[in-house]
Parts: sequence; C-alpha cells; structure tokens
Amino acid sequence: DAGVIQSPRHEVTEMGQEVTLRCKPISGHNSLFWYRQTMMRGLELLIYFNNNVPIDDSGMPEDRFSAKMPNASFSTLKIQPSEPRDSAVYFCASSFRSNRETQYFGPGTRLLVL
Amino acid sequence: AQSVTQLDSHVSVSEGTPVLLRCNYSSSYSPSLFWYVQHPNKGLQLLLKYTSAATLVKGINGFEAEFKKSETSFHLTKPSAHMSDAAEYFCVVSDRNAGNMLTFGGGTRLMVKP
Repeated sequence: DAGVIQSPRHEVTEMGQEVTLRCKPISGHNSLFWYRQTMMRGLELLIYFNNNVPIDDSGMPEDRFSAKMPNASFSTLKIQPSEPRDSAVYFCASSFRSNRETQYFGPGTRLLVL
Repeated sequence: AQSVTQLDSHVSVSEGTPVLLRCNYSSSYSPSLFWYVQHPNKGLQLLLKYTSAATLVKGINGFEAEFKKSETSFHLTKPSAHMSDAAEYFCVVSDRNAGNMLTFGGGTRLMVKP
C-alpha cells in the first residue's frame, strides 16, 4: 500500500493567492482528517470526514479555508485568499471509521505564504 | 475534556544510553493513548498504542510505554538510544467522550549525541 499521499510536498505562494492542497487516503479507509502543524500551536485538527461527508469543521480557522471530499479517494483543502499566517505544514490522515483513533498520516505539505 | 502534557520539549541523550520521554494525560473516560514519531520533514508514524489491554505496550524500533492510571502517565522508554531515534515524539490521547478524536501533546524533540 502506498500510504496516504499528499501533494504538493512544498508550496510557496504570495499573499492573496489561492492555494489547493490534495490528499489521497489509504484505499478502504473511510475517515479522513486534515491537520495543521505550526511551531506556536502544534498539531491542530482542522476538519474530518466520514464516508466523504464533513463531520466536524470546528477547527477550520476562518472562512478563507474550505475542504471537500468529492469521493472516497480524494480530498482537497483550499485557502483563498492565503495570508502569511497560514504558513504551516498541513497533514492529511486517514483511518477506518470503526477505528478512527488509529490514524495514518501522509508526509505533509509545507506551505509558505510570502 | 482531554489533554496531554509532554513534560520536556527537548531531551538530549548519548547514543547507547536509555531514553525517557514523559507524558501525562487528562481524560474523563478510559483513554486510548498513543506515541507518534515524526522524523525531520516527514509525516507522523505510529510507534505504539494502549487501548486498555496490557499496561506495558511494546512498539516498533525497541520503544515501549507503560500506562499508569494512578499517575495518569504514559511515559515512553527505550533501553539504548540509536542515532536514528533523533526525531520529534508526540504523546496522543483519545477517548469516547471526545468522539475518539486525537488530542496531541506539544511534542518532545529527542537529540542523540554520538
């Protein structure tokens, strides 16, 4: 199994630009999670999906952030417009819904907004 | 509410000496506890997990952790550190009252000196 796949691995953009991060979960997993990691705040859960449906987006910082999961094998996290304070590493993780606490993480996308 | 406190943000050991990374948790229910490791520029990898079976849990790469309910602790140990153990380690708690969602500690950076 290839594990959780994220793209791009690195993204550098200018303030105000739209950023789209992509995630392919492990085949068969039906829960998907987006996390953000920063030095100041550590690892924070942004949103998670069960069976492609968003369940809890209370961690999404503001309306500039949106996430979708159009099918079981693909999810996106979009930031529009991006700001320098969005600079962080964004992780995607997946799990079985029946064992949601055992999550498998992707390698992350390192985002730098100038 | 659940929470995790990692008592040391940085730990430095010499190669071949024991490793101790400390973790205390707070949970309103019988928790599940995890240790994840993150190598530089990599995603998080599950080291081990405790889910109410044996209190001494063995993980990968020679690591183990002991669940002590009376002390609300879940410290991570390894008898002999290897250079490849240098990484950041996260203690994580989840419980049913929080929907089995993961709460991460702030992380401990382990440095291994030759």
